[in-house]
Amino acid sequence: QSVLTQPPSVSAAPGQTVTISCSGSSSNIATNFVSWYQQFPGTAPKPLIYEDKKRPSGIPDRFSGSRSGTSATLAISGLQTGDEATYYCGTWDSNLNAGVFGGGTKLTVL
Amino acid sequence: QVQLVQSGAEVKKSGASVKVSCRASGYSFGSLDMNWVRQATGQGLEWMGWANPSSGNTGYAQKFQGRVTMTTSPSTNTAYMELSSLTSEDTGVYYCARGYWNADALDVWGQGTTVTVSS
Repeated sequence: QSVLTQPPSVSAAPGQTVTISCSGSSSNIATNFVSWYQQFPGTAPKPLIYEDKKRPSGIPDRFSGSRSGTSATLAISGLQTGDEATYYCGTWDSNLNAGVFGGGTKLTVL
Repeated sequence: QVQLVQSGAEVKKSGASVKVSCRASGYSFGSLDMNWVRQATGQGLEWMGWANPSSGNTGYAQKFQGRVTMTTSPSTNTAYMELSSLTSEDTGVYYCARGYWNADALDVWGQGTTVTVSS
């Protein structure tokens, strides 16, 4: 049972926009920055978003992040088949004094 | 370029310990925490803890308290994670990742080390 809650799967057609939600609480998302990671099978996670909405260099602006209250959202526009992967949100939990991740969301591009 | 290179795959018996290394290059090793994250086969990411190479301070997830030790060697730019009293539930891939959660987050990851625990 993950501290952060994500939908197990989402799907959309190429070219469309999909959003992935990440729900937490007052001790984590409400008070700490959220980051997002993309992971393909058999490879290490890749940072996509940090500090809620900033993108590391090399990450296209099709990927965007936002945070409001105890929830955060990753949006991917102009979906491509190469975006099929599992996406994780993560943040710090001030009560647990620990890093926490969501359970991951598998994106299927139909 | 910034890189984290981890040690090779390990196979251990139940009850044994494993020590995974993570060698950093391309940045000032002491300037950032080193985190450890594990992923059981077919499961999600699980944060284990952090170690700061400059201060030597560490912090562990409650689940691993008493069983994990994270250390760093500034002279060799290497971080280590040792996990003891292994069970089959510890089988998975272990990653090192540098960074602070409330700054640039975990911005560079190692390639992962597979640990297999057999009875």
